[in-house]
Amino acid sequence: KAGVTQTPRYLIKTRGQQVTLSCSPISGHRSVSWYQQTPGQGLQFLFEYFSETQRNKGNFPGRFSGRQFSNSRSEMNVSTLELGDSALYLCASSGDRGPYEQYFGPGTRLTVT
Amino acid sequence: GENVEQHPSTLSVQEGDSAVIKCTYSDSASNYFPWYKQELGKRPQLIIDIRSNVGEKKDQRIAVTLNKTAKHFSLHITETQPEDSAVYFCAAENYGGSQGNLIFGKGTKLSVKP
Repeated sequence: KAGVTQTPRYLIKTRGQQVTLSCSPISGHRSVSWYQQTPGQGLQFLFEYFSETQRNKGNFPGRFSGRQFSNSRSEMNVSTLELGDSALYLCASSGDRGPYEQYFGPGTRLTVT
Repeated sequence: GENVEQHPSTLSVQEGDSAVIKCTYSDSASNYFPWYKQELGKRPQLIIDIRSNVGEKKDQRIAVTLNKTAKHFSLHITETQPEDSAVYFCAAENYGGSQGNLIFGKGTKLSVKP
């Protein structure tokens, strides 16, 4: 099976802009979770989607949003970018059983200038 | 919600020695505890996980132990090799929503010196 893929791999944006990141899960996986990884804060949970519904949400401002399509592919959007949004954004997919055996994508490195 | 503390933040061992990383969690309802290894510039990889109905699980040179009473779990790596050098993250299931999500520790940078 192909692994989790994310596009784009690298992105440079200007403060105030918005950005959309994409994640394609492992075939058959219906749960997609998003994480923000920074050197100081480690891996922080953003939200999780299952069957096109947001099932869980972390403590991030409303500028961070996401969605999931019927083929389980997921997108996350960050509006009004701030310098502090610079990070590696990782998605992870898992089967129907919740957060068990989550497999990560390679991440999208977002730099906000 | 769940809180996960991980220690130490850095660990340096000689090749062939053992390495132990410890994590504590706060939510007694947590039932799932995975460990991830992240090499520089790469994605986190699931290396082992344990459920709350099991006290210990082994996979070759890697083992995880769980003490639900004390709310802590540990990763043990025996006969360490230079390729074990990486950042290791523990995580615990956060029982929020209908199925929960993972809360991660801050990571341990393991260096294995040849």
